[in-house]
Amino acid sequence: DGGITQSPKYLFRKEGQNVTLSCEQNLNHDAMYWYRQDPGQGLRLIYYSQIVNDFQKGDIAEGYSVSREKKESFPLTVTSAQKNPTAFYLCASSRGDSYNEQFFGPGTRLTVL
Amino acid sequence: AQSVTQLDSHVSVSEGTPVLLRCNYSSSYSPSLFWYVQHPNKGLQLLLKYTSAATLVKGINGFEAEFKKSETSFHLTKPSAHMSDAAEYFCVVSASGGSYIPTFGRGTSLIVHP
Repeated sequence: DGGITQSPKYLFRKEGQNVTLSCEQNLNHDAMYWYRQDPGQGLRLIYYSQIVNDFQKGDIAEGYSVSREKKESFPLTVTSAQKNPTAFYLCASSRGDSYNEQFFGPGTRLTVL
Repeated sequence: AQSVTQLDSHVSVSEGTPVLLRCNYSSSYSPSLFWYVQHPNKGLQLLLKYTSAATLVKGINGFEAEFKKSETSFHLTKPSAHMSDAAEYFCVVSASGGSYIPTFGRGTSLIVHP
């Protein structure tokens, strides 16, 4: 059963801590993406990767880091440099061209205590 | 360059009445256009997509959209709203030239009254 998974579903972080959000896909997709969603602001692109061992910054990359060591995995680290990290984070994957849709994971809700 | 404008941040309808969610786009290249739906605290699900074939596209759950190049629009419609249609809807454009990275609209919240 192919799909894209994210873990954990809920994550709580103390100020000053780094946290890592997991994203895994078994769809054999080349491209993977991380988005941040805040109420009333739609989706904002954090980072994307079109191929293993390569990734590019999106519109709001400051305070975040990623890696793409395997095709199936694209973890996102929210660092202490991200001043307002409380948000809903969505991971997506696609075949990596303009006419194929993205498949989204169920999301991780991060709350800073 | 590409952009998407969803013309309404909220749309309110009664159950059983038609739904219209409006989307205008701009793109320097031939666009692919998508509509996604998001229920609260969930990921996004594809409703339908246009990729330069038929201009009237049918999707899941009775939704359809028409690509109108002259109006640069891709409005989403449904003849009869159901309570389960209440959700956030996103219009997305992706272009074959340059970067294919999709651009999202800000979303339209569909409210369905009984």
